[in-house]
Amino acid sequence: DQQVKQNSPSLSVQEGRISILNCDYTNSMFDYFLWYKKYPAEGPTFLISISSIKDKNEDGRFTVFLNKSAKHLSLHIVPSQPGDSAVYFCAAGSGSSNTGKLIFGQGTTLQVKP
Amino acid sequence: EAGVAQSPRYKIIEKRQSVAFWCNPISGHATLYWYQQILGQGPKLLIQFQNNGVVDDSQLPKDRFSAERLKGVDSTLKIQPAKLEDSAVYLCASSLAVKQYFGPGTRLTVT
Repeated sequence: DQQVKQNSPSLSVQEGRISILNCDYTNSMFDYFLWYKKYPAEGPTFLISISSIKDKNEDGRFTVFLNKSAKHLSLHIVPSQPGDSAVYFCAAGSGSSNTGKLIFGQGTTLQVKP
Repeated sequence: EAGVAQSPRYKIIEKRQSVAFWCNPISGHATLYWYQQILGQGPKLLIQFQNNGVVDDSQLPKDRFSAERLKGVDSTLKIQPAKLEDSAVYLCASSLAVKQYFGPGTRLTVT
């Protein structure tokens, strides 16, 4: 049972344009969500997070939107830069679990073309 | 601040052999996680420690995988005997709260 899904394996955008990465979840107990970025041969690095009490969180060029009714979140990168080319994972957790356990999606490979 | 350290970075073994991975978390992080990431998939939690106690090992194949975190700091993950399907990247992460910090991972190839 895939509780967190990233249905687009890959995405290609032109430098300077917007990148939109999507993530869907099925478990209504999830109340916080994180995005991680992963370069080849490196571990995932934290990018941005959002709590379920908010519907938007912004950090520089990165904005995450949360639609709880649709159980959907998206990561917007504006403007996209070639250095943003990486695999992006969304992850979800539940505060009620008291463990900090995260469930990860399959990842979306973003390619930003110069 | 030093990040999460893992060794070795790469390991190639034959099936039925054993292998061990080492992780040193960020200083002061009480929670330590081991993940398995198979190519094309997201990280999957194998085991979670809080200090030196196991919080969640529901996804750990206990017939062949074992892990320990002596003294609540460093941790080792062992596979014995390895199978072809164990080929993956093994990631260690540590945290104080929600945000987890990952090491570079160990890429295991079982032939």
